Amino acid sequence: DGGITQSPKYLFRKEGQNVTLSCEQNLNHDAMYWYRQDPGQGLRLIYYSQIVNDFQKGDIAEGYSVSREKKESFPLTVTSAQKNPTAFYLCASRSGGTNNEQFFGPGTRLTVL
Amino acid sequence: GQSLEQPSEVTAVEGAIVQINCTYQTSGFYGLSWYQQHDGGAPTFLSYNALDGLEETGRFSSFLSRSDSYGYLLLQELQMKDSASYFCASPPRGTGFQKLVFGTGTRLLVSP
Repeated sequence: DGGITQSPKYLFRKEGQNVTLSCEQNLNHDAMYWYRQDPGQGLRLIYYSQIVNDFQKGDIAEGYSVSREKKESFPLTVTSAQKNPTAFYLCASRSGGTNNEQFFGPGTRLTVL
Repeated sequence: GQSLEQPSEVTAVEGAIVQINCTYQTSGFYGLSWYQQHDGGAPTFLSYNALDGLEETGRFSSFLSRSDSYGYLLLQELQMKDSASYFCASPPRGTGFQKLVFGTGTRLLVSP
């Protein structure tokens, strides 16, 4: 089945530790995205990538880093510089079709203790 | 900049019709999308309006008026499973379709 996988579903880390969230897609999509969602809030864009080996900052990139070494993979690292990292993190990819649809993974809920 | 405003919450009963509005402030508008998200789940795409008018997909319809900077999602024959959050979204000016800005989200509560 084609889709986007994120692992793990729940992640706990101590304050001051870096943590990397996984995002893999087998949809053959060029564009991939990372969003952050806080309780009762909308989605805010952290980073996005239109093609392998290229990525751009979104609206809230501070304290985060990404890489795009393979088309299928777009991992997100939450660094210790991120002041409030506890949130729900969603990865998405885009087909490039005329309806501009983005396909989302199941998300990772990160809790920093 | 770009912002999309939605009501925070809407309530309705099963079988009813509900409209979720989205107003935006932007220029160079590239169309309006709608996504559904159940609690703890992933957003899923519902519809996209590139041009003014109504788009219908089963029980869901979406409308766009670019002159009024306004769109809405219409849900008919409401079912309990429609209880979810609904987000409108649009590409920011100058980015083509590279990325989306999402609205504040509307939580729909459907009661028996």
